[in-house]
Amino acid sequence: DVKVTQSSRYLVKRTGEKVFLECVQDMDHENMFWYRQDPGLGLRLIYFSYDVKMKEKGDIPEGYSVSREKKERFSLILESASTNQTSMYLCASTIPGLAAYTDTQYFGPGTRLTVL
Amino acid sequence: AQTVTQSQPEMSVQEAETVTLSCTYDTSESDYYLFWYKQPPSRQMILVIRQEAYKQQNATENRFSVNFQKAAKSFSLKISDSQLGDAAMYFCAQSQGAQKLVFGQGTRLTINP
Repeated sequence: DVKVTQSSRYLVKRTGEKVFLECVQDMDHENMFWYRQDPGLGLRLIYFSYDVKMKEKGDIPEGYSVSREKKERFSLILESASTNQTSMYLCASTIPGLAAYTDTQYFGPGTRLTVL
Repeated sequence: AQTVTQSQPEMSVQEAETVTLSCTYDTSESDYYLFWYKQPPSRQMILVIRQEAYKQQNATENRFSVNFQKAAKSFSLKISDSQLGDAAMYFCAQSQGAQKLVFGQGTRLTINP
């Protein structure tokens, strides 16, 4: 089974803190994604990565950065957390090269981040 | 920009009945994929069903089926014989090329016993 894990289910941080959200997948997926989920807005793409050390901005990258030093790990970084970054953060990855699974994303359990 | 719209923020259905969730999308591409994802209260998002746009036949997965109308850019999900475990947020999504997905706003489905 595909397994995507996230480092924390719940996280509470203070305004101005640097926050790291970690995501790990165990199936050699090449593509990994970070979304935030807000009520009434669905999921919005923050950043994605096609390979190690490669990253591309999604629809709402402002205030965030990412790091992918190893293929299995994709980190989301909030350089200076703000209250408007309080949200649910979901990580996902995709299976490469298998036509039957093209574009199908597999999700982690999510991290509920609260910034006070 | 591509958009996906779910016009029903909430739906409810009696157990064992059938319910249909609506989704429309807007794209200029001719080849793409469409998805329905389910997010139960435990929050792990899981794939329910997937449709390739070049296939005319509607996808089915057990009690779940879709009504894909390419010309109308409509992709609805039908759940037959609803069960309590079907209660969840349901998200419609469309591939945006390069394996990115665009998601709708979500529909919260309640199953009444």
